[in-house]
Amino acid sequence: GAVVSQHPSWVICKSGTSVKIECRSLDFQATTMFWYRQFPKQSLMLMATSNEGSKATYEQGVEKDKFLINHASLTLSTLTVTSAHPEDSSFYICSAVGLSTDTQYFGPGTRLTVL
Amino acid sequence: QKEVEQNSGPLSVPEGAIASLNCTYSDRGSQSFFWYRQYSGKSPELIMFIYSNGDKEDGRFTAQLNKASQYVSLLIRDSQPSDSATYLCAAPGANSKLTFGKGITLSVRP
Repeated sequence: GAVVSQHPSWVICKSGTSVKIECRSLDFQATTMFWYRQFPKQSLMLMATSNEGSKATYEQGVEKDKFLINHASLTLSTLTVTSAHPEDSSFYICSAVGLSTDTQYFGPGTRLTVL
Repeated sequence: QKEVEQNSGPLSVPEGAIASLNCTYSDRGSQSFFWYRQYSGKSPELIMFIYSNGDKEDGRFTAQLNKASQYVSLLIRDSQPSDSATYLCAAPGANSKLTFGKGITLSVRP
């Protein structure tokens, strides 16, 4: 149980394009999902907290207009990197928390490379 | 502000030894802790969570929580090369948001 998937697992795009990453909880309902970013050999950095049916809460320094988050259902959250630039290249990881727990289960991550 | 510290590391142990990973925290109100393992290039994977003072065992892993001293540790018995990874200690806060330690990198030598 407690499986979280992400799609795509990797993506390469041109500078200026937008990329959408999906995060799904496969066998449980998640009221809260989190989006992280991790650069090589660095710690996880929380970008935003996504609650189903409401606007995401962004961490300080994260541009909400650049990283659009939608949490339309209890099993799906999406992160759209708009007008991506090479400095946005990173490993994006989501996690999900079930309805009656505070345990975060992580997705496998999406590696984004912007050329 | 809630802080979780993992100051030791990297840690290198021979295969078959016990690896001891430690974590301290600043918020006396913290009630539970999580240990995640992260292999290089992969996302974190939950190993254990602990809510109560004392020990919690799961296979080769034992989590220990001492609320009076504000530390939580993870012991890995009979360490294997496949245990080589970064281990993250985390404490949940409001809205299940986690405060992570910076991680300890464990290397198990064959």
